[in-house]
Amino acid sequence: EAGVAQSPRYKIIEKRQSVAFWCNPISGHATLYWYQQILGQGPKLLIQFQNNGVVDDSQLPKDRFSAERLKGVDSTLKIQPAKLEDSAVYLCASSLEVGQGEQYFGPGTRLTVT
Amino acid sequence: SQQGEEDPQALSIQEGENATMNCSYKTSINNLQWYRQNSGRGLVHLILIRSNEREKHSGRLRVTLDTSKKSSSLLITASRAADTASYFCATEGGYQLIWGAGTKLIIKP
Repeated sequence: EAGVAQSPRYKIIEKRQSVAFWCNPISGHATLYWYQQILGQGPKLLIQFQNNGVVDDSQLPKDRFSAERLKGVDSTLKIQPAKLEDSAVYLCASSLEVGQGEQYFGPGTRLTVT
Repeated sequence: SQQGEEDPQALSIQEGENATMNCSYKTSINNLQWYRQNSGRGLVHLILIRSNEREKHSGRLRVTLDTSKKSSSLLITASRAADTASYFCATEGGYQLIWGAGTKLIIKP
């Protein structure tokens, strides 16, 4: 089966610019996650979707970050405006259902904000 | 917020030796999972152990869970160069995984 797809793989932007990341989960997976991983740290959950709905976005900086999952499949994560501290790898993952164990991760997007 | 804490932060061993890393957590859980992350294959699920299990094996991996001490250990036997990676424990207590900062494992030839 095809894995979780993400694009772009790398992005360099200047602070105050905007950026968007795209994720296509494994077919049939109802739950989709966006994580932020700063170098040397574990992933930090930004937002979790179950189909179209948001399960948890408590750690999403809503003044600058937004995410949507249209039609319960693909998802986009946007940052506007970006700050230097947003430099990180943004990981998308999916699982069959909420709380159903194993999560499958995409390759990530490495964002550098200068 | 990070719940799991891996120990040690870094570990360097000779190829063929066994590697043990530990994870401690703070609140009750449904399961605990171990993941591996390297530059080649990204973040990959290794093994899941449920709160009512004490030990689980998968190939060269052995995981133990002690819920009374809120701790888990991951043992990799007969290490190989390809095992060089960061290893993360993640706990599931509700509907999300909470991750530790990871153990960086280096296998020397």
